[in-house]
Amino acid sequence: QQPVQSPQAVILREGEDAVINCSSSKALYSVHWYRQKHGEAPIFLMILLKGGEQKGHDKISASFNEKKQQSSLYLTASQLSYSGTYFCGVTSGGSNYKLTFGKGTLLTVNP
Amino acid sequence: NAGVTQTPKFQVLKTGQSMTLQCAQDMNHEYMSWYRQDPGMGLRLIHYSVGAGITDQGEVPNGYNVSRSTTEDFPLRLLSAAPSQTSVYFCASSYSRGGSASDTQYFGPGTRLTVL
Repeated sequence: QQPVQSPQAVILREGEDAVINCSSSKALYSVHWYRQKHGEAPIFLMILLKGGEQKGHDKISASFNEKKQQSSLYLTASQLSYSGTYFCGVTSGGSNYKLTFGKGTLLTVNP
Repeated sequence: NAGVTQTPKFQVLKTGQSMTLQCAQDMNHEYMSWYRQDPGMGLRLIHYSVGAGITDQGEVPNGYNVSRSTTEDFPLRLLSAAPSQTSVYFCASSYSRGGSASDTQYFGPGTRLTVL
């Protein structure tokens, strides 16, 4: 079953912040975040494992709440290059490699 | 390294035709997957492989076959193409199964398939 992402779409002005959420009805083992630009392949951003850790690089970070079975991606001081569709992918077991993706969140950053 | 390569980039088929989408990686990755991407549906897993000779079904396996005879190659076969299989197909690979903090899944550039 696909995880649910919210919002479906968000429009920002350059420099504004955004939060994208990903929730699952299943117990999660790992959460993966990807960004895809139109007509291109998805690009890996980060992976979070169960344990409630938070990760980040540059101005993009993410958290993983194992108990709530959800993850959030935080984009701060957004740049034009952040525009694209963001996908979360989840696995539900350490031995299960089935990575199930959400339907995506379209982020548009305007000047 | 070339990373993950896919051929062809574009393909048009008629209903009932068969074809094979090629995928290769030169990173010595054990894990390889095939996804299809349709508007508004995200990426859906078709089949995946955890090593040479081992494959398993994903969410939407019907109408597709795979095999993994070598670590490098993971072809996807459409046995009898249908208009519902019109989609963008992505192949991906990773070093391990997604349980490590350093796991990264690398995607190929995609194959855009139209079935008339």
